[in-house]
Amino acid sequence: GQSLEQPSEVTAVEGAIVQINCTYQTSGFYGLSWYQQHDGGAPTFLSYNALDGLEETGRFSSFLSRSDSYGYLLLQELQMKDSASYFCAVRDRTGRRALTFGSGTRLQVQP
Amino acid sequence: DGGITQSPKYLFRKEGQNVTLSCEQNLNHDAMYWYRQDPGQGLRLIYYSQIVNDFQKGDIAEGYSVSREKKESFPLTVTSAQKNPTAFYLCASNPGRAERYNEQFFGPGTRLTVL
Repeated sequence: GQSLEQPSEVTAVEGAIVQINCTYQTSGFYGLSWYQQHDGGAPTFLSYNALDGLEETGRFSSFLSRSDSYGYLLLQELQMKDSASYFCAVRDRTGRRALTFGSGTRLQVQP
Repeated sequence: DGGITQSPKYLFRKEGQNVTLSCEQNLNHDAMYWYRQDPGQGLRLIYYSQIVNDFQKGDIAEGYSVSREKKESFPLTVTSAQKNPTAFYLCASNPGRAERYNEQFFGPGTRLTVL
């Protein structure tokens, strides 16, 4: 099976940089994804790492270390609209073509 | 515009009644999924379907049923056997190609409250 751990809550100020960590345990591994969900809304896809290293998409970057079973989402130049929950998700190699999600990190951006 | 629609947005039912949640997509995606989300929690997989007329149980399938008679539609029935059905239900899809499984597209969700 799979399990993912991420902090439940993170607080940061507008304009700052914040890092949301995710550690995972899987019976195989086929990539780490990140999703954003605003209160009452639907999750939206942010990024995906299949290989080690950093992927950058605008203000958001995602990092993966497969040897450490660890990844993180980096948000730069924080804006108030970044206040949301962020979920990491993995897909394993057992053949199940579906994702397992972490319990989410609630990011609160303060002025 | 292409996307996923779920209806209704809010649904109230009495305990013991079956209820069916609608999910329709016009993205021409092969794979569709149902998730349940409880307050402050992550998404838990109920059922998923990779192709028409085929579906598999997820992690919390007990008390739920699905059908996939058309590519565009993947309705979820919450039966009276589901002990605690009050939750936020999210439907998702993706193209179904191996390299795209990690990117899922979500509908707006249905918030079900059982009275």
